[in-house]
Amino acid sequence: NAGVMQNPRHLVRRRGQEARLRCSPMKGHSHVYWYRQLPEEGLKFMVYLQKENIIDESGMPKERFSAEFPKEGPSILRIQQVVRGDSAAYFCASSLASGGASLYEQYFGPGTRLTVT
Amino acid sequence: TQLLEQSPQFLSIQEGENLTVYCNSSSVFSSLQWYRQEPGEGPVLLVTVVTGGEVKKLKRLTFQFGDARKDSSLHITAAQPGDTGLYLCAGTNSGTYKYIFGTGTRLKVLA
Repeated sequence: NAGVMQNPRHLVRRRGQEARLRCSPMKGHSHVYWYRQLPEEGLKFMVYLQKENIIDESGMPKERFSAEFPKEGPSILRIQQVVRGDSAAYFCASSLASGGASLYEQYFGPGTRLTVT
Repeated sequence: TQLLEQSPQFLSIQEGENLTVYCNSSSVFSSLQWYRQEPGEGPVLLVTVVTGGEVKKLKRLTFQFGDARKDSSLHITAAQPGDTGLYLCAGTNSGTYKYIFGTGTRLKVLA
């Protein structure tokens, strides 16, 4: 499967626990984006990363949320001390590059559905 | 703040009918993408349009980018149940990575 991979597909956490969501971009893609989608709503941008760098985290809550994309391994979105309002589908997308029309086309993974009980 | 409004929000039609979905903004975008998302899955890229007035066809789907690059439409001919899903448009500006997603159109095609 050469597409964007995310795991787990479903994650249940109790309030106060930590959630770790993983994303492996498409082969050859070095740009990763995280989005959040609430039921019956559109996609909201959270953070944009390149290898070892956070480029734009303007859509990510300043507290409890963090993201990384290490030199080796998948990108990780971490949510500490989860609350019920964090329940949502979290999608990762990747692109080949940024700046040119076809280069920055974003391809999405299947998402991780987080449920906080 | 750039916004993309999609209409209609919901659409339920019979198999074989034609339909058009609209994506409108007061802002200019350098390119626009259309995605389809099925329940429980991630959005799948259908097309990218970059030139004002551009028309692209993908089997029974026809995409058009407005001349002023502020709006776009998606026309489906002879809809099939497999076309059911959430259709999302997303706009971008030259030199930036950030997608502005539209509000979405939920299409249901009944057999």
